Parts: sequence; structure tokens; C-alpha cells
Amino acid sequence: DVKVTQSSRYLVKRTGEKVFLECVQDMDHENMFWYRQDPGLGLRLIYFSYDVKMKEKGDIPEGYSVSREKKERFSLILESASTNQTSMYLCASSLSGDSNQPQHFGDGTRLSIL
Amino acid sequence: GDSVTQMEGPVTLSEEAFLTINCTYTATGYPSLFWYVQYPGEGLQLLLKATKADDKGSNKGFEATYRKETTSFHLEKGSVQVSDSAVYFCALSDPRLYSGGGADGLTFGKGTHLIIQP
Repeated sequence: DVKVTQSSRYLVKRTGEKVFLECVQDMDHENMFWYRQDPGLGLRLIYFSYDVKMKEKGDIPEGYSVSREKKERFSLILESASTNQTSMYLCASSLSGDSNQPQHFGDGTRLSIL
Repeated sequence: GDSVTQMEGPVTLSEEAFLTINCTYTATGYPSLFWYVQYPGEGLQLLLKATKADDKGSNKGFEATYRKETTSFHLEKGSVQVSDSAVYFCALSDPRLYSGGGADGLTFGKGTHLIIQP
């Protein structure tokens, strides 16, 4: 089974801090994704990566950056955290190829910015 | 742009009732369609998928048929159980969306919260 592991289930940070959310997958997937999930808004794509050191903006990249130095690890960075970034963050991975490939999700990190 | 519309709920049913969760979509290309389920405190799990018109995806008693003519992918189950209580997300993957990048980001509906009472 594919395992996508997010480093923290719960995280509390302060406004202005630089925050790192880590995600690791163990199935040699090329593609990795970061989403945020908010009530009434569903899941929205922040950034994704289809190869090491490659990254693409999703629908809501403002205030975020990402890093993919190794194939199995994809980090989401909040450069200067703000209260409107309080949310559930979900990481996912998938095989490369066509659009038939499903995404496999981690359990999420619930981030609170005070 | 692409979008997915689904009933948000909460949808409350009694055990053994028939379930339908409606999902319609708009897409620029010919998308693949998915249903994901999220149990409390967990991430999303793939429930079923369909990749072309008239395909039927099925898993754990759930079914959904890809209807291109009505741009729909409604989720059904004949007899629900308390353990089916969860949030259900309809999603699409449009192959034209990121054609240069090789990855396919999913477009999600807002999720339907399903509550099954004993």
C-alpha cells in the first residue's frame, strides 16, 4: 500500500513565523501535491511538483512556497504565517502518466496560526 | 475553468436506506472522474473512479457511472451502514489542465457530509 506521511498531525504557530510542513511518500511517485481544506470550500490546490526540483503553482499559491530536493519528500513553506492560513493541509502523491492515476493522501496537518 | 458541483449536506439517512449523492462537472478536456471518502480524523481515500463515458466505477457497495451527456457522476449505494458516515468528495482530473507539466491536479467539489443513523 502507498504510504504518504505528514510529519505533524497538529501544529500551532504564531503570526509572522516561518512554518515548514513536511510530507514523505514511499512509493517512488513522481508527482506530489499540497492542498488546503477549509469548511465550505473543499480542497484547493496550493502547489504541485512532477519531478525533483520542479514545482508548479496551483490555484492558491500566494503566501506559500515549496521545496522538492528529493523524490520522496515535498515540503510546504509558509514564509510569514498569517491567521488566514489556519487550515487543514493535505499532501498527496501519484504516479506520472495520464490523468487516470489516482492521488494518495496523507492524514493531514491541522495548522493553527495565532 | 474546470469545476465540480455536489450537494453539501449534511445528508442524514437511516441504516439500510438507499443513498444518492449528486455530482456534476464542467471541464475543458475529457476528464477522469473520482469519488474520494474522508473518515473523521483521516486523509482522503480513493473510493472509485471512471475514466471514460459509460464506465461504471464500484467499490465497497458504492457505484457511480460516468455520464458524458449529462456531465454527471452520481454516487449510489443500495443499503448504507453506520460505518459509511464520512465526507464524500467528487473530483475530476483534466488531462489538458497541466499538459506541459506531466502532473494532473484534481479539481474537487466541496464535499458532502453523510450521517447514517442506526
